[in-house]
Amino acid sequence: RKEVEQDPGPFNVPEGATVAFNCTYSNSASQSFFWYRQDCRKEPKLLMSVYSSGNEDGRFTAQLNRASQYISLLIRDSKLSDSATYLCVVKTGGYQKVTFGIGTKLQVIP
Amino acid sequence: DTGVSQNPRHKITKRGQNVTFRCDPISEHNRLYWYRQTLGQGPEFLTYFQNEAQLEKSRLLSDRFSAERPKGSFSTLEIQRTEQGDSAMYLCASSYHDRDLNIQYFGAGTRLSVL
Repeated sequence: RKEVEQDPGPFNVPEGATVAFNCTYSNSASQSFFWYRQDCRKEPKLLMSVYSSGNEDGRFTAQLNRASQYISLLIRDSKLSDSATYLCVVKTGGYQKVTFGIGTKLQVIP
Repeated sequence: DTGVSQNPRHKITKRGQNVTFRCDPISEHNRLYWYRQTLGQGPEFLTYFQNEAQLEKSRLLSDRFSAERPKGSFSTLEIQRTEQGDSAMYLCASSYHDRDLNIQYFGAGTRLSVL
């Protein structure tokens, strides 16, 4: 089983739609979780950290379910500019080993 | 621009040649990471430094790969005797240990093409 698993998509959604991505992780000792966004042929950029209680930043909501070992990202009112690949990132261990998921590709269609 | 800087942005080389990439982290960051990313995959961890000490190396980092961070500032990643399978984007990231959940900030990467 991969350490971090994501559905690679693509998810094709119309403008204004709500879309959700999940990411599962295998190591129950994982400590920190993030969502990064990566545009085509660009570097990954932090979208948001994921806190135990869940957190929201504008149209974006992230949640953590430790019991089921997954994190989620919800995007409301999708914009064309949201088209990108969304990378799930999990940190584990004393040295903060970082593992990226394969990324989920989102395409928002006019 | 005070972000992570990587040079060169693109490198084309012939199989068997050696290449070296440079990364300049955000100035106050004490951790520096190298990743490799191929098309359709997420970044794969290669190695990281805390200050000048190389603390962890992935098994992906074969004997042909070496990384240094001699003064705890910039870092270099060298690939010797390049192979076509080394073609990828090489990403550098930096963070400040024990601050802001150790969030990593990435450079724009060096895209390597081995012919």
